[in-house]
Amino acid sequence: DMKVTQMPRYLIKRMGENVLLECGQDMSHETMYWYRQDPGLGLQLIYISYDVDSNSEGDIPKGYRVSRKKREHFSLILDSAKTNQTSVYFCASSLSKGHEQYFGPGTRLTVL
Amino acid sequence: AQKVTQTQTSISVMEKTTVTMDCVYETQDSSYFLFWYKQTASGEIVFLIRQDSYKKENATVGHYSLNFQKPKSSIGLIITATQIEDSAVYFCAMSNMGYKLTFGTGTSLLVDP
Repeated sequence: DMKVTQMPRYLIKRMGENVLLECGQDMSHETMYWYRQDPGLGLQLIYISYDVDSNSEGDIPKGYRVSRKKREHFSLILDSAKTNQTSVYFCASSLSKGHEQYFGPGTRLTVL
Repeated sequence: AQKVTQTQTSISVMEKTTVTMDCVYETQDSSYFLFWYKQTASGEIVFLIRQDSYKKENATVGHYSLNFQKPKSSIGLIITATQIEDSAVYFCAMSNMGYKLTFGTGTSLLVDP
């Protein structure tokens, strides 16, 4: 069964704290993504990873960085979180370019 | 630049009926892929079905099918025999031969018993 997992599902942090969101997939997909979803703004692409140690900025990368050391695992890091980074974060993976993306269940992050 | 437009913000239907959701797209590319996703009330985003631009046959998966009208740049989603659990927000999306998806703004479907 194809699956994308995200941990944690819910997270509350204080402004200035560091945040680590983790994503895993069991489909050996080359490409992985991080999005955030805010009311009225839809899904916004933060970063794309084409494979291990091959990452590219998406549309809103400021304030975020990523790490992909294994094909099945992709992390999103917020150094010194800000209140405007409160959002729902989705990870996704796809076989390669042009293919459908499979989404994880999301992480609801609140930065106080 | 690509653009995806869903003009129906919300639709309400009775259970067991058929519903069609509209989507039009803009692209300069000759080859592209079109997708439909649904987002449930719990927030889960689920891939439903895809259409490759070079294929003339409409894609079908379970009770989901597509009405692909390439000359009109239109990709409608048809759900037959709707069920209560089909209530969700449905997103149309497209991709050229690259990695990024361009999403529409979504259509909220409510299926009444």
